[in-house]
Amino acid sequence: NAGVTQTPKFQVLKTGQSMTLQCAQDMNHEYMSWYRQDPGMGLRLIHYSVGAGITDQGEVPNGYNVSRSTTEDFPLRLLSAAPSQTSVYFCASTTLDRSVGYTFGSGTRLTVV
Amino acid sequence: TQLLEQSPQFLSIQEGENLTVYCNSSSVFSSLQWYRQEPGEGPVLLVTVVTGGEVKKLKRLTFQFGDARKDSSLHITAAQPGDTGLYLCAGLRTYKYIFGTGTRLKVLA
Repeated sequence: NAGVTQTPKFQVLKTGQSMTLQCAQDMNHEYMSWYRQDPGMGLRLIHYSVGAGITDQGEVPNGYNVSRSTTEDFPLRLLSAAPSQTSVYFCASTTLDRSVGYTFGSGTRLTVV
Repeated sequence: TQLLEQSPQFLSIQEGENLTVYCNSSSVFSSLQWYRQEPGEGPVLLVTVVTGGEVKKLKRLTFQFGDARKDSSLHITAAQPGDTGLYLCAGLRTYKYIFGTGTRLKVLA
């Protein structure tokens, strides 16, 4: 089925470890973004991209890096995990004119101990 | 700073009742979307409103965008248990979608 695929679904990290959350979409969407969801906070934008080779920061970018080498893939890297990064992470994509709304992945639940 | 505030935060009602959820901001948005999210899943788009004063209906759900494009409401008529979930509004400013804090709705049979 077409859509946004996120891996892994669950992950436990130790403080200081690094890891990459994978996100891939097969809808040829130019616009991709990463959000984190915490209780009572809704979804907060981490980074976004409007096309291959172009990325920009969202509301809460500190501690995270992204790259966009292809239209399909938009990985999120945690450089040195901290307990404050315990959250559920969602990748989403849409067309550049945003006429179709976001398609979200099913999320990655990350726990940092 | 949360640009989009939703109210109420939690709502538990009986099947058949009506309800309204509000999404408010002091900022103007180019467009506003409503999503519903179920446990363990990503949000799913319900509607997009673009024009100030616009009203859209989706079966028993009615969405309204404020005249000044700073606020929106979602009204559900005769709620059903299948309406249970987390409702999120999202406003578009330049290239960024900013999400609201969410309203968690539970409809009891």
